[in-house]
Amino acid sequence: EVQLVESGGGLVKPGRSLRLSCTASGFTFGDYALSWYRQAPGKGLEWVGFIRNKAYGETTRYAASVEGRFSISRDNSNSIAYLHMNSLKTEDTAVYFCTGASYSSGWYDTYWGQGALVTVSS
Amino acid sequence: DIQMTQSPSSVSASVGDRVTITCRASQDISSWLAWYQQKPGKAPKLLIYAASTLQSGVPSRFSGSGSGTDFTLTISSLQPEDFVTYYCQQAISFPYTFGQGTKLEIK
Repeated sequence: EVQLVESGGGLVKPGRSLRLSCTASGFTFGDYALSWYRQAPGKGLEWVGFIRNKAYGETTRYAASVEGRFSISRDNSNSIAYLHMNSLKTEDTAVYFCTGASYSSGWYDTYWGQGALVTVSS
Repeated sequence: DIQMTQSPSSVSASVGDRVTITCRASQDISSWLAWYQQKPGKAPKLLIYAASTLQSGVPSRFSGSGSGTDFTLTISSLQPEDFVTYYCQQAISFPYTFGQGTKLEIK
């Protein structure tokens, strides 16, 4: 069974840092591109960033709203992706989802985690 | 950034009805479009990708069409579990962007 499980969410003060983890199982993690999305309470979906698989150099891209503050990394040996969030703002409050996409599905986000809530508040 | 405009933002329908949701891109995205279903408190679920390809395991009552800038998601015969929210997403260029969502409500 394919699973993506996010962890590391919680309450954090503005300006502080937080790291989310996404632990994968049930598929060949190294073959997949991984993305992070977020959804503010009662709002729509927002793409946060993306890391390619090893075959494509594990390059990353980010939304303008998080560029320079957030970064994505991956540990293929342990099937974990990370979202490193620095200089957090109240507007970063959201549920964060990690996703997996592969060549076989046209690089569309087939697998989604259940989400991790991040609340930025003083 | 590519703007995605979904319509309607909400629609009321009955079980067994046929419903169509439209999505318009602000520029040509070829067939780089996905449709997602999201139930309250849950992660989105991929229904359709490449504008018209049904994701494995998704019921055949869901279908997608379109290319360029205009796309549609059709549910041929609504079931009770379909009354949730749907999003379109363009995947041709970063940043990936979504429509604002369409909430399907029971009449």
